Formats: sequence, C-alpha cells, structure tokens
Amino acid sequence: QQQVKQSPQSLIVQKGGISIINCAYENTAFDYFPWYQQFPGKGPALLIAIRPDVSEKKEGRFTISFNKSAKQFSLHIMDSQPGDSATYFCAANSGYSTLTFGKGTMLLVSP
Amino acid sequence: GAGVSQSPRYKVAKRGQDVALRCDPISGHVSLFWYQQALGQGPEFLTYFQNEAQLDKSGLPSDRFFAERPEGSVSTLKIQRTQQEDSAVYLCASSLGGLGEKLFFGSGTQLSVL
Repeated sequence: QQQVKQSPQSLIVQKGGISIINCAYENTAFDYFPWYQQFPGKGPALLIAIRPDVSEKKEGRFTISFNKSAKQFSLHIMDSQPGDSATYFCAANSGYSTLTFGKGTMLLVSP
Repeated sequence: GAGVSQSPRYKVAKRGQDVALRCDPISGHVSLFWYQQALGQGPEFLTYFQNEAQLDKSGLPSDRFFAERPEGSVSTLKIQRTQQEDSAVYLCASSLGGLGEKLFFGSGTQLSVL
C-alpha cells in the first residue's frame, strides 16, 4: 500500500514558469509533510516542510499548499530556474512513524 | 563533521559476497536511519536507531540484511550473500531528535551486484 502518492512522474517547465507537483496521503495520523530535493549523485535535501495547522507555507520561490480535508499537499516553484532541475520527493510522517516518501518527480527547467 | 558521511561511495560485489556499508552521522544526532533507493524511485525505509537501540527494522527486506550502531554514533549496514536485486543506492540519514524531525541525508553508497 503506497501511503504517499506523487504526480506527475516528470515535468518540463520553461525558465520563469511555475512548477507544480502534487501529493496525496492516506494516513490521517501524518502531521509532518516535507519536500526534498535531490540532485544526481547526492542524497535528498530538505527544501521546505509544513505541518497541518497551516494551509500554506512560503519560503522564497517555494510554496507548499496543504489541504487537510482532501489529504493533499503540493509544491509550487515560482519563477523556475534551470538550477531547479532535480528530482523532488514529497514525504510524510508522524511523531510515531518513520518518513515515507513518494516516488518522485523529475523536473527539467528549460533555459 | 559537517554532514552525514557514507563510505564507500561505490561498491561492486559479486553475487553471493558479503558487503558492509558505513555511515557517520552528524555529531550529536540521536537518530539514524537507513533507506534503500532503487533507480528512479523514492527512498524506502529500512531501519531506524535511536542512540544504540534499533527501534524499527521493519523495512529490512530479508534476514540477509543486518544493521548495527553499537556506540550510538557510527552505523554499519551489512548485507550477506548479496543478490542482484540488492543493487541500489543505500542512503543514511540522521536527525537531532526522534521521529518527525528534519532528516539530513548522506550522498549514499551505490551498490552494484553482478
């Protein structure tokens, strides 16, 4: 049973455009929702995270939108840049469970 | 150290060989996690330590996989009698506290079993 479902699998966005990646979760006990960024040959690095007491969190060009009733959350990358080209993973856990990752979205930002 | 360090960076093993993968977490981090990442997939949880105690090993795929953290710092993931399906990147992560806290990942060990 896949606890965190991520889409799309891959995404091509023009420089300056908005990249949007979506995730859905099933376990209502989850209370921590991070997004990780991974470059080839590197481990995942935390990008931004949200807890369910807020519906949106913004850090620079990166925004998480969270819909608790729909059990969905999404990552928006504004003014996408070629340096943002990477694989992005959503994840979720609670204080009683280990982090569960989505399958990832490969983002390519074309110059 | 400045970050989580894993060694070796690459490991090639013949099927049936035993391998040992090392993880040096960030100094002072209580929790340590091992994940397996197949090509084009997200990391899959293997096991979790809090200090030297292995609190969760539910993700270990078989009894050929064994992990330890005897002094609550460095950890070793051992795979006995490697199989081709064990080929993957093995990621180690640490966190300052327990579950639900920010994970810091190493660059991983890429294991290829021939």
